[in-house]
Order: sequence, then structure tokens, then C-alpha cells
Amino acid sequence: DAGVIQSPRHEVTEMGQEVTLRCKPISGHNSLFWYRQTMMRGLELLIYFNNNVPIDDSGMPEDRFSAKMPNASFSTLKIQPSEPRDSAVYFCASSFGGGSVYEQYFGPGTRLTVT
Amino acid sequence: AQRVTQPEKLLSVFKGAPVELKCNYSYSGSPELFWYVQYSRQRLQLLLRHISRESIKGFTADLNKGETSFHLKKPFAQEEDSAMYYCAPRAGGTSYGKLTFGQGTILTVHP
Repeated sequence: DAGVIQSPRHEVTEMGQEVTLRCKPISGHNSLFWYRQTMMRGLELLIYFNNNVPIDDSGMPEDRFSAKMPNASFSTLKIQPSEPRDSAVYFCASSFGGGSVYEQYFGPGTRLTVT
Repeated sequence: AQRVTQPEKLLSVFKGAPVELKCNYSYSGSPELFWYVQYSRQRLQLLLRHISRESIKGFTADLNKGETSFHLKKPFAQEEDSAMYYCAPRAGGTSYGKLTFGQGTILTVHP
């Protein structure tokens, strides 16, 4: 198993452009999480899904951010329009919600730079 | 409000010295606590969880409910322990495994 897959690994874009980050969770996992990592704020949870349904999007910073999970094997995080302060590493993680383990498996991250 | 605090952003020790990474939490109920680690050029991964009472790579973490702390300790640090460490509580109930991560501590172990 390749684990959680994210694409692209690096994205450089200009302010005002639309950015779409993609995630493929581990097969069989039913929870998916999007995080943003910055030096100032650490690792912040943006949104998470369970069985493809958004459960909590309170961490989404603004309306410019949106996330979808059309099926169990794919999710996107979109920023439109992008701003320089959105520059960060964005992680996707998945887990299987059973028992008390709830270990989250992380993808390699997408490093976003908005100029 | 649920909150987790890792007071040290940076922590430097020499090889062979003891190391303690601090974590304090403010959570209602009885959260489960985890430590995650991110080594250079690797993915963020689970290091240990308090319910297992395990020692992983020489690290242990004791949940102190009175002090609401879950400090990570290792008696003799190794250079390969250099990494970013995150403390992460998980609320019980229907949280679907949601974790709240602290700001993280970058540990550097010098030779």
C-alpha cells in the first residue's frame, strides 16, 4: 500500500489564482482530515470527513477555502482566490474509525507557495 | 475550549542526555493522548499513545490527569531522535478520531 497519496507535492502560484490540492486516502479508511502546517501556528485541522460527509469545517479559515470528498477514495481542498498568507504545507490524513485506536496516517504533504 | 500547549518550540540536547518534551492539555472529559513525530523527509507518524502504556524507541509518556500533562521522556537521547514532535489529544465520543495538535516542538540532539 502506498499510503495516503497527495498531489501535487509542490505548488507555486500567483496571488489570486485558484489552487486545488488532491488526496487519496488509504483504501478502507473512512475518515479523512485536511491540515495546514506553518511555523507560527503549527499543525491546524482545517476540515474532516467521515464516510465522505464533512463533519467539522470550523477550522477552514475563510470562504476562500473549500473541500470536497465525492467518494471514498478522493478528496480535494481548493483555495480560490489564493493569497500569500496561504503559503504553508497542507497535509491530508486518513484513519479507520474503529475501536479506540484512531491512528491517523499522513500523506507526504503539499508545499504551497503563493507569490 | 479544548486546548493543547507545547511550551517549547525548540529544544536542544546533547547525545546521551535526558530529554523531556512538555505537553499540557485542557480538555473536558477523559481524552486519549498521542504523540506524533515527523523525522526529516518523512511523513508525520504516530509515535505512541497513552492507552498502550508502551515505550517506543526508548520514549515513554505518562498521563498526569491532576496536572493535565502528557510529557514525552527519554533517558538517553540519540541523534536520530532529532525531529518535530506533536502532542495530540483526542476527545472521546463521536469525534471520529479528530485530533487537536499542539504547535509542535523541534528536538535537536547534538553529537
